[in-house]
Amino acid sequence: GDSVTQMEGPVTLSEEAFLTINCTYTATGYPSLFWYVQYPGEGLQLLLKATKADDKGSNKGFEATYRKETTSFHLEKGSVQVSDSAVYFCALSDGPGGGNKLTFGTGTQLKVEL
Amino acid sequence: EADIYQTPRYLVIGTGKKITLECSQTMGHDKMYWYQQDPGMELHLIHYSYGVNSTEKGDLSSESTVSRIRTEHFPLTLESARPSHTSQYLCASSDASGRSDTQYFGPGTRLTVL
Repeated sequence: GDSVTQMEGPVTLSEEAFLTINCTYTATGYPSLFWYVQYPGEGLQLLLKATKADDKGSNKGFEATYRKETTSFHLEKGSVQVSDSAVYFCALSDGPGGGNKLTFGTGTQLKVEL
Repeated sequence: EADIYQTPRYLVIGTGKKITLECSQTMGHDKMYWYQQDPGMELHLIHYSYGVNSTEKGDLSSESTVSRIRTEHFPLTLESARPSHTSQYLCASSDASGRSDTQYFGPGTRLTVL
């Protein structure tokens, strides 16, 4: 079945540092890929998505590229801020034909310090 | 921007009580989902619905039940709450038209059973 593997946290960075959170996936077909962010005490917010190979999703300075050859969708940001402290989830969708069900990674907690 | 609401946001109740967690969305989405999020952050799909009068069990077995009498409303019920039900419950919805497979999440209900 489908699965998503993302790096374990917590990841602790200083403000303005470069961020990479690794995500790899296993899936049949051509899934859409997502990054969601969860701030303390809140639900999940869509951060960015990519629907096909070589697509780059970007939002709020974050970006991720859909790499079919390496089955990866790593999240990057050039300069993190304290306000980026949250839990980040990588996910894939089985698409409208499969009910749009998401398979999530286990989440990576990011802590950004001054 | 997605409009999906959950009430209550926080609930503390005693063992054996019956509870209903409410979820409503105003986007006209046909597909709706309930997730249970454990303290280790991992998300588990417990119920989903493809439309009115459609409900399915998710990947994680749950003692809860759901109903879908109206498109916009997808309540989750626990007939007799137990401490093992203590968790965060997240509701989500997505468009069934095939144009998008993005799920939009509500803010969550944090349930504590004493």
